[in-house]
Amino acid sequence: AQKITQTQPGMFVQEKEAVTLDCTYDTSDPSYGLFWYKQPSSGEMIFLIYQGSYDQQNATEGRYSLNFQKARKSANLVISASQLGDSAMYFCAMREGRAGNNRKLIWGLGTSLAVNP
Amino acid sequence: NAGVTQTPKFQVLKTGQSMTLQCAQDMNHNSMYWYRQDPGMGLRLIYYSASEGTTDKGEVPNGYNVSRLNKREFSLRLESAAPSQTSVYFCASTTPRGGGQYNSPLHFGNGTRLTVT
Repeated sequence: AQKITQTQPGMFVQEKEAVTLDCTYDTSDPSYGLFWYKQPSSGEMIFLIYQGSYDQQNATEGRYSLNFQKARKSANLVISASQLGDSAMYFCAMREGRAGNNRKLIWGLGTSLAVNP
Repeated sequence: NAGVTQTPKFQVLKTGQSMTLQCAQDMNHNSMYWYRQDPGMGLRLIYYSASEGTTDKGEVPNGYNVSRLNKREFSLRLESAAPSQTSVYFCASTTPRGGGQYNSPLHFGNGTRLTVT
């Protein structure tokens, strides 16, 4: 069963507008972490933001924030004031905290975001 | 800061040739990983090393071997390359931050684009 689901293969947004990229996850472990990465066309993987399962508040990092809805098992990435440089693939990933996990990340298939001028 | 350094950036092999992808990190991380990325399939874990002296298979280990040479270096070897191994390969590293083993992001190298003809 897919543990990380990103339902939007592609998204468009106008420059300066906000956009939400969806991520739902599946785990029975009460301890887990959720990560978002950006992959621009140049190919590198860039860590954006982290949310822990016990965190009381939604994570924020500059223009990035996480809309974390634990009961719904969703961790949507919100990018405010989109810029042309935000055009990229975005990946959601999860690491479960159970013993023996060895820190392996489980990855979604990604969402391609295009920012229009 | 160099972070995670992968070499080479590009490589073309003929079927049956061998090669080693090199990876080094200067962040004193315990865990290192090799991923491959193929269109529509996201990132798939080939091998990982939870700590110096240990290596374990990931999702797609067939056709690959690894060596954790020391804490800094983790190499990936293709003994007899096949066209199915045409992919982009990423090395990554991490180490637990305070509070648990599941909250540390992976830091990625810039990738190696391998073509096997």
